[in-house]
Amino acid sequence: TQLLEQSPQFLSIQEGENLTVYCNSSSVFSSLQWYRQEPGEGPVLLVTVVTGGEVKKLKRLTFQFGDARKDSSLHITAAQPGDTGLYLCAGRNSGNTPLVFGKGTRLSVIA
Amino acid sequence: NAGVMQNPRHLVRRRGQEARLRCSPMKGHSHVYWYRQLPEEGLKFMVYLQKENIIDESGMPKERFSAEFPKEGPSILRIQQVVRGDSAAYFCASSPGQGREKLFFGSGTQLSVL
Repeated sequence: TQLLEQSPQFLSIQEGENLTVYCNSSSVFSSLQWYRQEPGEGPVLLVTVVTGGEVKKLKRLTFQFGDARKDSSLHITAAQPGDTGLYLCAGRNSGNTPLVFGKGTRLSVIA
Repeated sequence: NAGVMQNPRHLVRRRGQEARLRCSPMKGHSHVYWYRQLPEEGLKFMVYLQKENIIDESGMPKERFSAEFPKEGPSILRIQQVVRGDSAAYFCASSPGQGREKLFFGSGTQLSVL
């Protein structure tokens, strides 16, 4: 069973601060995705990374896939209250296997 | 341009009753996935279906749970003789094809078993 461990589980920061959340596994993934989920809604895809060492930027969000494709990080610069939500990483070890999700990091950005 | 539609949004059942959860995928999508989410937990894969076929049901409990995606109409996740432990949010996602990276999720059905 592939396990994706996310840390920290909870994070509460002030508006304007920077933060990094992590997604780690002992398994190699062919691709890894980050989703954001708000209360009462389904997850929404933020990014997909497929190449070891890949870095993708989405406005103030920077996503990195580890060289060995076993881990990933999400860095948010100058966090805003609108960034509040549950951030989930999800990985797939081949095109035919189901997407496996971590438990998420619940981020709260206080104005 | 409707997204993935799930209904009902909230479903209350008493122990022993049946629960039926419906999912209409995005237009043009022929692949449907069901996930279950407990509070403070990630999403747990249950089943992957294409039209009229179950492709992967490795995450489905062996008893009481079944899923279908008929040629016409929505995908249905059926839970028979519900127990309190079935209380959870059930999410459906769709994609245009196998191995396609992007899943589009519905807003979920919150099942509460009394």
